[in-house]
Order: sequence, then C-alpha cells, then structure tokens
Amino acid sequence: DAGVIQSPRHEVTEMGQEVTLRCKPISGHNSLFWYRQTMMRGLELLIYFNNNVPIDDSGMPEDRFSAKMPNASFSTLKIQPSEPRDSAVYFCASSWRDDSPLHFGNGTRLTVT
Amino acid sequence: LAKTTQPISMDSYEGQEVNITCSHNNIATNDYITWYQQFPSQGPRFIIQGYKTKVTNEVASLFIPADRKSSTLSLPRVSLSDTAVYYCLVAFNTGGFKTIFGAGTRLFVKA
Repeated sequence: DAGVIQSPRHEVTEMGQEVTLRCKPISGHNSLFWYRQTMMRGLELLIYFNNNVPIDDSGMPEDRFSAKMPNASFSTLKIQPSEPRDSAVYFCASSWRDDSPLHFGNGTRLTVT
Repeated sequence: LAKTTQPISMDSYEGQEVNITCSHNNIATNDYITWYQQFPSQGPRFIIQGYKTKVTNEVASLFIPADRKSSTLSLPRVSLSDTAVYYCLVAFNTGGFKTIFGAGTRLFVKA
C-alpha cells in the first residue's frame, strides 16, 4: 500500500499563474478530502468527495479554487489565478468511507510570490 | 456543529504517561471521536477512534465518559519521538461525514 500520493511536493509560482495540485488516493477508498494548512488558520477542510462526487465544497474559499475527481484514483485541486494569500500546505486525504479514519498524503507546499 | 476544545500545549518527560483531554459539548448521537498526530512536514496520522467507554490499541487509549462531552487520549510512557501536535476531532454528518480539525495540542516531550 503506497499510501496517498500527492504531487508536486513543493510548488513555487508567481501571482496570477494557474496552479494544479494532484492526488492519488489509496486504492479502494471511496472518500477523498482536500485540506489546507496555515499557521494562522490551522487545517481547513476545502472540499470532500464520496464515490467521485463532490459532497461538500463549502470550505472552498473562492471561485478561484476548483476541484475535480474524474475517477476513483485521481483528484486535482486547481487555483486560477493564484494569489500570495494562497500560500499554504495543501493536504489530500482518503478514507474507506466518509466516517472512517483519514489517511493523509505528505502535502504540497505552495508558495505564491 | 460539534466543536472541540483542547489545551494549546503540554510538556512532559520521557517515560511519563500523558493525558490530553478534549471537550466536545455539542457532540451528536452519530458522531465518533477521532485523534490524529502530526509531525512537522507530514500529514496528520490516525491514532485512535472511539464512540463510547474505552478503546485501546498498540499506541494509545481513548477514554470517553457516558455523556460523551469530552474524551481523553492517553499515551503511555512517551518518548522524544512523541513530540508532535495532537488533534481531537468529531466527524459530523451533513449528508456525508465532515471532518473538522481544531487547533490541536502541541506536546513537547523532554529528556
């Protein structure tokens, strides 16, 4: 079991650029979650999917953020255009069911200059 | 919404038992209580989950009183490598379970 795989591990980009973060959940897990972590706000739930369908996206900060899960083994979180305040560590997590323990990836550290 | 409250930080020494208590006064009937551990530059890692009474696994115990308005994570004989942030959380049902993290407790284990 390779665990949840996120890419890239680090991303540095300039304000206004599009950023795409990728996640491969654990095979067989039916729920996928995107979180953002900053010193000021801690871990924030952005969106979660169940069986590839978005269930709750109320945590997505703005229209600049979008997330997709085209199949059970892949999800993306896109920010367009990016802003310096989007700088954070973005975590993807998956679970067997949406009330099961979460398995986190090692995150993508995003820096927007 | 079930909100959790934990101490911001705790200090301990190697070999001691550490108990971290979390309050969740508005916990609902269907809610489970879950604890995670996070090291720097890593994602949170699941430690233990429970619904009521006591749960024990190879790394920790979780004590939940009858009213379920609080829970206590117990780490036996901590070591330096247990220095981390510990999150107590309650997943609540909004048509799917939504897992919200609180601020966590920063545990520092000294030699």
